[in-house]
Amino acid sequence: KNQVEQSPQSLIILEGKNCTLQCNYTVSPFSNLRWYKQDTGRGPVSLTIMTFSENTKSNGRYTATLDADTKQSSLHITASQLSDSASYICVVGTSGTYKYIFGTGTRLKVLA
Amino acid sequence: KAGVTQTPRYLIKTRGQQVTLSCSPISGHRSVSWYQQTPGQGLQFLFEYFSETQRNKGNFPGRFSGRQFSNSRSEMNVSTLELGDSALYLCASSPPGLARSETQYFGPGTRLLVL
Repeated sequence: KNQVEQSPQSLIILEGKNCTLQCNYTVSPFSNLRWYKQDTGRGPVSLTIMTFSENTKSNGRYTATLDADTKQSSLHITASQLSDSASYICVVGTSGTYKYIFGTGTRLKVLA
Repeated sequence: KAGVTQTPRYLIKTRGQQVTLSCSPISGHRSVSWYQQTPGQGLQFLFEYFSETQRNKGNFPGRFSGRQFSNSRSEMNVSTLELGDSALYLCASSPPGLARSETQYFGPGTRLLVL
């Protein structure tokens, strides 16, 4: 069964600290993996997208890694800011019937 | 370039009614996907349209339907609304290109409340 699991479910950190969010998937056939940031009440915004051959991709303070062998991805946020408070969603693209499999997200809260 | 727009932004309906939501993709995008997002289930795929044809369909009952027009604008319809249909409905469009490098651009969503 195609699944995407994210951990932790929620996370609270202090401003300026780093954090890492995890995403494990059992999706086949694998096409790509993306991370989205979703502010409360708004649509998700793409942070990074990686294909099978890429194992790291950065977007400012956000760095995503992909290990296609273990089917794991992580999103590392450096020097967190209050504006990083949001839900972060891992999405795996498949060339199978259902094109995108979504994780349930990690809710991050950054405190001053 | 304008982003994905969705109308209306908020909607209140009662059980048994029907509702139509609208999505205008980014200019040049031909693929439009619809998702339902609820606190308990996260984002769930409803269907995808490409060039006026439904290309993929998620696991939702037949009360949920959609269509796409020749200008790529898309509508989603939910008939005989149930309380459980209360959710944020998101529309996303994708540019033409290789599927492996596709990026979805989401609209702000329509928040539907069924009373």
